[in-house]
Amino acid sequence: GQNIDQPTEMTATEGAIVQINCTYQTSGFNGLFWYQQHAGEAPTFLSYNVLDGLEEKGRFSSFLSRSKGYSYLLLKELQMKDSASYLCAVTRSNYQLIWGAGTKLIIKP
Amino acid sequence: KAGVTQTPRYLIKTRGQQVTLSCSPISGHRSVSWYQQTPGQGLQFLFEYFSETQRNKGNFPGRFSGRQFSNSRSEMNVSTLELGDSALYLCASSFGGTNTDTQYFGPGTRLTVL
Repeated sequence: GQNIDQPTEMTATEGAIVQINCTYQTSGFNGLFWYQQHAGEAPTFLSYNVLDGLEEKGRFSSFLSRSKGYSYLLLKELQMKDSASYLCAVTRSNYQLIWGAGTKLIIKP
Repeated sequence: KAGVTQTPRYLIKTRGQQVTLSCSPISGHRSVSWYQQTPGQGLQFLFEYFSETQRNKGNFPGRFSGRQFSNSRSEMNVSTLELGDSALYLCASSFGGTNTDTQYFGPGTRLTVL
């Protein structure tokens, strides 16, 4: 079957670095998305990984290891506005997108 | 380019009624996916339409149905509403031609069932 695991909640300090992990088990894996969702708002696209390795976009980076079924989202220089839920989602060869339950990130001053 | 729009933004219904939600995708996008989100829950996939055909379906009862029109606009219908149907309903659009296309979300319709 398909399964995606993320920690339910994480807490970090403003200005620090945090790593949000996502592990998955699925057939027909194509790639992995990360989305950010602020409370009461719709998810917004952050990154997409299809090949192994690190993709960097400003303060946010995303890593993928296909052989290990593992990805992480790295957020640097944390700001209060980064308080949100972070969702990972796996794309499959049949166009289906499988979503994790999301990680709620709390940033403290 | 205009984003994904959803109407209405808020709805209050009573048990047993039915409801229709609408989603207009980004221009040029042919795929529309629908999700249900309840507090503390992740996105629960309802179904996906591509070029007027249902391409994927989640594990929801038959009370939940949808369709897509030739202009890619999509509607979702829920019949015989139950209290547990209270949720944020999100639609997302993408080009849909490949399985690596990014989905862009609308603001959602918040449905309250009393």
